[in-house]
Amino acid sequence: GENVEQHPSTLSVQEGDSAVIKCTYSDSASNYFPWYKQELGKRPQLIIDIRSNVGEKKDQRIAVTLNKTAKHFSLHITETQPEDSAVYFCAARGNAGNMLTFGGGTRLMVKP
Amino acid sequence: DTGVSQNPRHKITKRGQNVTFRCDPISEHNRLYWYRQTLGQGPEFLTYFQNEAQLEKSRLLSDRFSAERPKGSFSTLEIQRTEQGDSAMYLCASSLFLGGTEAFFGQGTRLTVV
Repeated sequence: GENVEQHPSTLSVQEGDSAVIKCTYSDSASNYFPWYKQELGKRPQLIIDIRSNVGEKKDQRIAVTLNKTAKHFSLHITETQPEDSAVYFCAARGNAGNMLTFGGGTRLMVKP
Repeated sequence: DTGVSQNPRHKITKRGQNVTFRCDPISEHNRLYWYRQTLGQGPEFLTYFQNEAQLEKSRLLSDRFSAERPKGSFSTLEIQRTEQGDSAMYLCASSLFLGGTEAFFGQGTRLTVV
């Protein structure tokens, strides 16, 4: 089955700096890669996603890149703000089963 | 709130008791997923339904776990003879049956087995 690795597990940045979180996946058939933000005690919420036919996608301060050959994808947050502090999860979904396999999460702390 | 709804939000039970959780997906969504999340970890897939059919179950889902979606709308997840290791957040998500569409999560049910 699919295996998703996520790094780093914790990331501390100063407000205004950029943050980058990286994930690798094992199943070359995976074709959909969402990123979720989860604040303490709340549900995971989708912040951006990318499909395998696209190499990069951007939405305001958030961007995701995908390298299918290397089987890795990354989340980039620019001009970080304290409200960006949360746990971020990457995930991958293949054709079989259609369920998401999640990475272990990255706790992002943005210091004011 | 027209999102995914889960009840109860919290459940404390004694070891050995049975518990049942309910998930109401977004009304037009025909796929429904159950995940389990332990502290500091990502959600782990348990099972999913397309309409009323249970299409896949994870190896994590022991015989003590059973899920149903009898009319293709709400779903229930039952855990029999609960163990302390079952303590976790149980998350439900729903999506449309179209390739690569977004899965929306509910708030989860936090189970504590004492």
